[in-house]
This record gives sequence, structure tokens and C-alpha cells, in this order.
Amino acid sequence: NAGVMQNPRHLVRRRGQEARLRCSPMKGHSHVYWYRQLPEEGLKFMVYLQKENIIDESGRPKERFSAEFPKEGPSILRIQQVVRGDSAAYFCASSLPRGTSKAPDTQYFGPGTRLTVL
Amino acid sequence: QKEVEQNSGPLSVPEGAIASLNCTYSDRGSQSFFWYRQYSGKSPELIMFIYSNGDKEDGRFTAQLNKASQYVSLLIRDSQPSDSATYLCAVSLYNFNKFYFGSGTKLNVKP
Repeated sequence: NAGVMQNPRHLVRRRGQEARLRCSPMKGHSHVYWYRQLPEEGLKFMVYLQKENIIDESGRPKERFSAEFPKEGPSILRIQQVVRGDSAAYFCASSLPRGTSKAPDTQYFGPGTRLTVL
Repeated sequence: QKEVEQNSGPLSVPEGAIASLNCTYSDRGSQSFFWYRQYSGKSPELIMFIYSNGDKEDGRFTAQLNKASQYVSLLIRDSQPSDSATYLCAVSLYNFNKFYFGSGTKLNVKP
């Protein structure tokens, strides 16, 4: 499967627990983006990363949320001390490095992780 | 002002008709433009991208870009009930590492 992979697909947590969401980009892609989508609402940008580097985290809530994309392994979105308002679908997208195509910033989405906070 | 504006809809069209979805953007520096389709409960799926003024056709889909007026549209010919989904417009300011999504237009194609 050459697509963007996310796991788990569904995650249930109780208030105060930690949630870890993982994203493996498409083969050859070095840029990863995280989005949150509340029910019946649009995509909300959270963070944009390259390997070992955060490019833009202007959409990331300053408290409790963090993201990383290590040299080896998947990108991780970590939510500490989850609250009910964190219940949402979290999507990861990936894109090619610059200079590799006419529209290298085309983003391809993974299937998402549905987080439910009880 | 939002970077990307779309009418939330719903836009209802009969089966076989042309569906026209519109999107405006605020930053004249925008370089690439994308249309995604999102079915309920699913992730966004890329339909097509365009970066030059004019039309780009792919099957039943045509994207139209007018940079002077700062709008991009998507036409769906011979609309099918399976086209019923939310359509997201996105723009990229590549040189500034910025990528903005609109809130989407819900399309209903009635049999």
C-alpha cells in the first residue's frame, strides 16, 4: 500500500489520558501535515513538518498538543490530558519534496484517526 | 477575511446536470489550487489541481482558474448521485509554506 497510513483508525480515551496518533507518509514524501476536523465542520490546519523540523505550527493549540516527525519512523501527534472537546477526526496528509513535480505541495490524505474522549 | 471562501451549500442538482462549485481566495500570491472531495466520515480525496489561468479537464471534471478575479471553480458534468459529497477548495502559497482549505460546499445530486 503506497498511500498515507494512519493508526490507530479509532481511539477511545478517558478525560485526562494521553492520545498518540501516528502517520506514515507516502513513499518518497518528506512533508507531513496534521489537520483536525470536528463533526460537520471544515478541516482545521494544525501543524506542518518535515523530517526533524517543524515548518509551521501556527494552528497547533499551544497547550497539550505536540507533534514530531523523527528521522526514522512515523510522524506522531500527541495530545496530553485529553478533554471531551478533543473528540474529532485527525487527518494526516503528505506531500513531495520541493522541486520534484509541478505541484509538489499537492497533499494526499490518510484515512484519519477518529478520537473519542469519554 | 478568510483566505479561502466557499458557499457551504447545500447545492442541489438533478442527476445528469452540471454542478458548478465556486471558490474565492484572498492572497494574490497563491500559486497552486486544488479541489478535494470528501464523503461523509471519510478523508479528503484529491480530484485535481490547477496552477495556470484557464480550464483544465479530467473526465467529467473541469477546473477553472481566474487569477485576476481570484476565483477557482469546479464543474462536474453529468452529475451522478455518487458525486454527492463535500467539495473542498484549497490554495497554496508554495514559497511561504502555506496551504489553506476552504470550509467546503456540500453537493447533493438527486436521482
